[in-house]
Amino acid sequence: AQTVTQSQPEMSVQEAETVTLSCTYDTSESDYYLFWYKQPPSRQMILVIRQEAYKQQNATENRFSVNFQKAAKSFSLKISDSQLGDAAMYFCAYRRFDGGSQGNLIFGKGTKLSVKP
Amino acid sequence: EAGVTQFPSHSVIEKGQTVTLRCDPISGHDNLYWYRRVMGKEIKFLLHFVKESKQDESGMPNNRFLAERTGGTYSTLKVQPAELEDSGVYFCASSQRAGTSEKLFFGSGTQLSVL
Repeated sequence: AQTVTQSQPEMSVQEAETVTLSCTYDTSESDYYLFWYKQPPSRQMILVIRQEAYKQQNATENRFSVNFQKAAKSFSLKISDSQLGDAAMYFCAYRRFDGGSQGNLIFGKGTKLSVKP
Repeated sequence: EAGVTQFPSHSVIEKGQTVTLRCDPISGHDNLYWYRRVMGKEIKFLLHFVKESKQDESGMPNNRFLAERTGGTYSTLKVQPAELEDSGVYFCASSQRAGTSEKLFFGSGTQLSVL
């Protein structure tokens, strides 16, 4: 069975600085998707970034980028120029590529990110 | 466009009582998912509806949980009778189509506390 591990329960970053959130996963499959979701306090969880395992290029969305190391099964999220609005719980998630319930995501426990002004 | 909405946002009940959570997906979304996050643990998949049919309910913890989606619109998740270990945040998500390009939209969740 696939598992997702986020080893940092809490992280803190100074506004305008850069922070990296860690995520590792375990799977025997070669094709899959990886995601980072953000949940601000009392608000909906939203997709931050998505990576297809068959793509070597790391995904990037504005200030958010990932470091995808397939062999190491590592998928870290880098937030550049951190803003106060980035404060949230961040969840790393895995999804199978080819079947089953497409929305059946496997999540990590989450990392709570605080941004200091 | 309205997002995925969940009611109530918080519910506090006593052990043995019944609670019903509701999820209104985005209009036109055939796929509806329920997830649960128990304190300090991972968010876990519970089940998946395609329209009114249960596509996958492999994550439902036991028969005290009953999910319905009559008419393929909103969904309810009933817990009867509630136990202490049912406490957690229940998330609902919807998507327009399943497949490789599927994008999930989540609700804000219902915080359930069983005392």
